[in-house]
Amino acid sequence: DQQVKQNSPSLSVQEGRISILNCDYTNSMFDYFLWYKKYPAEGPTFLISISSIKDKNEDGRFTVFLNKSAKHLSLHIVPSQPGDSAVYFCAASVGLANKLIFGTGTLLAVQP
Amino acid sequence: GAGVSQTPSNKVTEKGKYVELRCDPISGHTALYWYRQSLGQGPEFLIYFQGTGAADDSGLPNDRFFAVRPEGSVSTLKIQRTERGDSAVYLCASSLNGAGGGSPLHFGNGTRLTVT
Repeated sequence: DQQVKQNSPSLSVQEGRISILNCDYTNSMFDYFLWYKKYPAEGPTFLISISSIKDKNEDGRFTVFLNKSAKHLSLHIVPSQPGDSAVYFCAASVGLANKLIFGTGTLLAVQP
Repeated sequence: GAGVSQTPSNKVTEKGKYVELRCDPISGHTALYWYRQSLGQGPEFLIYFQGTGAADDSGLPNDRFFAVRPEGSVSTLKIQRTERGDSAVYLCASSLNGAGGGSPLHFGNGTRLTVT
């Protein structure tokens, strides 16, 4: 049973435009959500997180939105840059000191 | 400072052999995690250490898999009687005191295991 789902395996956007990556989850006990970025042959790198007590968190060009009633979160990147091209993983946890459950990832390609 | 280091970066072994994968976490990080990533999938949780003890080993697929962290720093993931289905990238991560947004996981580059 896939508790964290990323239904779009890939996304292509033009440089300068907004990239929107989506993630759905099924476990209502999740209370922390994170986005990781992964380049080929490297480990995932932490990007941004959000607690379930918030509905938005912003860090520079990256904003994460959480809709608890819909069990949905999204990552917005604006403006998108070619260096943002990578696989993006959504992850969730129950509590702060527990394992992360990852989605299957979305490959973002930003075209110059 | 140095990040999470995993050795070897690549390992090819024959079916039925025993392998050990090593992880050196970031200095001072008390929490250490092992994940496995198969092609086209996200990282799949295997085991989590808090200090020397395994706080959660619910992700280990069967008793052929075992991990240790005897001094609360370096960890070794051990796989006995390897099978072709064990082929994957094994990722290690550490965090200051646990997962979640308060102390994100820092991943190593992984060990790519190929069982022939």
